[in-house]
Amino acid sequence: GAGVSQSPRYKVTKRGQDVALRCDPISGHVSLYWYRQALGQGPEFLTYFNYEAQQDKSGLPNDRFSAERPEGSISTLTIQRTEQRDSAMYRCASSFGAGAAGANVLTFGAGSRLTVL
Amino acid sequence: AQSVAQPEDQVNVAEGNPLTVKCTYSVSGNPYLFWYVQYPNRGLQFLLKYITGDNLVKGSYGFEAEFNKSQTSFHLKKPSALVSDSALYFCAVRTLGDMRFGAGTRLTVKP
Repeated sequence: GAGVSQSPRYKVTKRGQDVALRCDPISGHVSLYWYRQALGQGPEFLTYFNYEAQQDKSGLPNDRFSAERPEGSISTLTIQRTEQRDSAMYRCASSFGAGAAGANVLTFGAGSRLTVL
Repeated sequence: AQSVAQPEDQVNVAEGNPLTVKCTYSVSGNPYLFWYVQYPNRGLQFLLKYITGDNLVKGSYGFEAEFNKSQTSFHLKKPSALVSDSALYFCAVRTLGDMRFGAGTRLTVKP
């Protein structure tokens, strides 16, 4: 697509429920990133993929969080047994290159705002 | 591990005056440095980046940034601020893989 698309834009759930957040990156972008952003704070790195391979998941807060990108395109971030502290904006970004990818710009989606009651 | 620090939570300037938003970085190896801007209720937008070469990088909306290796800094600058520049600004650093962001600096430009 023309941009990075995230769904749902807003999700309200009750504590203890599982949620799945979806990211559809820019067509042809190899790398996909997940960040979490609290209000007025900087994006906090969660995990990233090159193609379908998860390269780094060191930012995932605990084992309730997982992500996948099975076909190297769309990715899903899943939070199991949600807690109130999981409430935040979850942002996805994609970039063109793998390899010497450091120079490539990340393009961000609009985000999915999760509220856990 | 790579990291960035934005020492100022808030920067206030008058319209027409020059502005500087500070950023320092820590990374092993050569850094790739970025500035992003976030307007209220919007996503992050890319402003500019430093990869290699000229230490002064020019970006969108009249912004520029100066890479200083000895001071490990990458300060964002604009010669003449506009009220419409008021937003949240994030510095970011990347080597090969993930990109790490600073905590952000809120810029307010007053008429």
